[in-house]
Amino acid sequence: EADIYQTPRYLVIGTGKKITLECSQTMGHDKMYWYQQDPGMELHLIHYSYGVNSTEKGDLSSESTVSRIRTEHFPLTLESARPSHTSQYLCASGPRARVRTGELFFGEGSRLTVL
Amino acid sequence: GQQVMQIPQYQHVQEGEDFTTYCNSSTTLSNIQWYKQRPGGHPVFLIQLVKSGEVKKQKRLTFQFGEAKKNSSLHITATQTTDVGTYFCAGPPLRSTLGRLYFGRGTQLTVWP
Repeated sequence: EADIYQTPRYLVIGTGKKITLECSQTMGHDKMYWYQQDPGMELHLIHYSYGVNSTEKGDLSSESTVSRIRTEHFPLTLESARPSHTSQYLCASGPRARVRTGELFFGEGSRLTVL
Repeated sequence: GQQVMQIPQYQHVQEGEDFTTYCNSSTTLSNIQWYKQRPGGHPVFLIQLVKSGEVKKQKRLTFQFGEAKKNSSLHITATQTTDVGTYFCAGPPLRSTLGRLYFGRGTQLTVWP
């Protein structure tokens, strides 16, 4: 059982609000990722990190920011939420593996609705 | 840029029929991983293939990694309703120093009882 947690699970918020989605893992993984996904559709990489103080933009960094001050914590912040941000946000983590990339463990997701 | 293509996007089968999804990368991959996402759930790792031409089986599921390490397939024999979900392939480019995973768009499998 993977130990990666996301909060909140569900959030309904008004346009223009600032929100932070939390993601924590207790597996000591170096790699952490944020993906955006509409139901049953493809995964869009938003941001990723390969360790403390390391963050990179993905293909869809869309007015969001991340930080990686501690290994276990990788929060995602939307400075000003818009209806186009309505989606599910999935956090994932993975170990630094011998074979370049190991498996990813996904959290249960944060489903965001912006009115 | 790096692309991972997956077909078909949707597949509807009668329970008991076989199912196959195909994954093709624009560049050589270091390895290929497969994930399954149940409706309303999150992706869950199924398997990783590393070697050229590798074939692995998990009960009714057979995974293959192509000789050139640019394509892969997942075959399910005699589907069951529990196989419903979206199947994603993903892999890091061979020459990538950071090992970022590139995901395919996924194949949504529906199984009619």
